[in-house]
Amino acid sequence: KNQVEQSPQSLIILEGKNCTLQCNYTVSPFSNLRWYKQDTGRGPVSLTIMTFSENTKSNGRYTATLDADTKQSSLHITASQLSDSASYICVVSAGGGADGLTFGKGTHLIIQP
Amino acid sequence: DADVTQTPRNRITKTGKRIMLECSQTKGHDRMYWYRQDPGLGLRLIYYSFDVKDINKGEISDGYSVSRQAQAKFSLSLESAIPNQTALYFCATSDHQRGAEQFFGPGTRLTVL
Repeated sequence: KNQVEQSPQSLIILEGKNCTLQCNYTVSPFSNLRWYKQDTGRGPVSLTIMTFSENTKSNGRYTATLDADTKQSSLHITASQLSDSASYICVVSAGGGADGLTFGKGTHLIIQP
Repeated sequence: DADVTQTPRNRITKTGKRIMLECSQTKGHDRMYWYRQDPGLGLRLIYYSFDVKDINKGEISDGYSVSRQAQAKFSLSLESAIPNQTALYFCATSDHQRGAEQFFGPGTRLTVL
């Protein structure tokens, strides 16, 4: 069964600090991996997409990494801001099948001033 | 104007009532999805549609039905609501590529008493 596991479940850091969120997956065959940001009470919004051949991709202060061999991805947030407080969801797309998406349960990040 | 809209945004109803949640999109996408989100469980797929004549069950379709009235409209019905259907419901759209970014609506918070 395809699975996506995220850690930690929740995280609290001070404004200005860096943090790293983890995503481990057992989805096969692998097509791509996305990180979504979900602000409280709103729908998720895509931050980055990683394909098999990509190791690192940045979007402003967000940097995603992918190790397709170990089936791990991380999302690193640099110089955190209060607006980074949100849930971050890892979603893996598989080849084959009609839908092919497996969602992680998310990491709830709180940035404290 | 928002690309993906959902109505209503909030709804409180009683057990046994029939409820319809509506979703409209102006992105011109063929694919539309309905998800529910519960604390600690993440997003779970209820139904999805790849075009007007296509309807597919997702992970948790029992107790729900859908109708794709047009390319831009996809509605979700609860024929006889029960309390464990209390959740946050999201509609999403994407284009036809596998693993394409999903664009989410703002969500509908449904409470079944």
